[in-house]
Amino acid sequence: DADVTQTPRNRITKTGKRIMLECSQTKGHDRMYWYRQDPGLGLRLIYYSFDVKDINKGEISDGYSVSRQAQAKFSLSLESAIPNQTALYFCATSDLKGAHGYTFGSGTRLTVV
Amino acid sequence: SQKIEQNSEALNIQEGKTATLTCNYTNYSPAYLQWYRQDPGRGPVFLLLIRENEKEKRKERLKVTFDTTLKQSLFHITASQPADSATYLCALDASGTYKYIFGTGTRLKVLA
Repeated sequence: DADVTQTPRNRITKTGKRIMLECSQTKGHDRMYWYRQDPGLGLRLIYYSFDVKDINKGEISDGYSVSRQAQAKFSLSLESAIPNQTALYFCATSDLKGAHGYTFGSGTRLTVV
Repeated sequence: SQKIEQNSEALNIQEGKTATLTCNYTNYSPAYLQWYRQDPGRGPVFLLLIRENEKEKRKERLKVTFDTTLKQSLFHITASQPADSATYLCALDASGTYKYIFGTGTRLKVLA
């Protein structure tokens, strides 16, 4: 099993629909992150969580919400999807200092039509 | 404003040569800088971390330098191979909380 598992891998949804992207990890890390990646814009941080009770907005949190259900699970929701949320979404985990880097999932390719 | 810059143009080099990629940043004073490899449609994979008090770090064919005066990191792949073709991202600890900000990456293509 992968260290960081994201579901679904691909999703096409309609404008206005609510959608949830899920992430689970087996690294035992406290820190988890959600990024989106767009061509030419790189990885941008949506939300991050330093432990189960700590949730923080990243640089582009508008239109998104998250839930940290357990140390191992961190889900991202789009309450009412819009086309400019079409992107590749990555979940990642790290230990406190990131000394061993972030461990990323394989990503969810989301298309909003 | 705060910026991380990586050359957006692809770098093409011949197999066996050394590839050098650049990461420049402004208005940050990171204590840590990381490099990642990303293949198309996949998540980034961590390669190396270098601390501000380290000038150079090596791992097999990879070498990273970190010049806090120039605000620049260089990433070298020696004896490059076609399998090294990928996009390489730099990331830095922008806020001192070990939360990393990523550059847009440079695509490397090693020609056989």
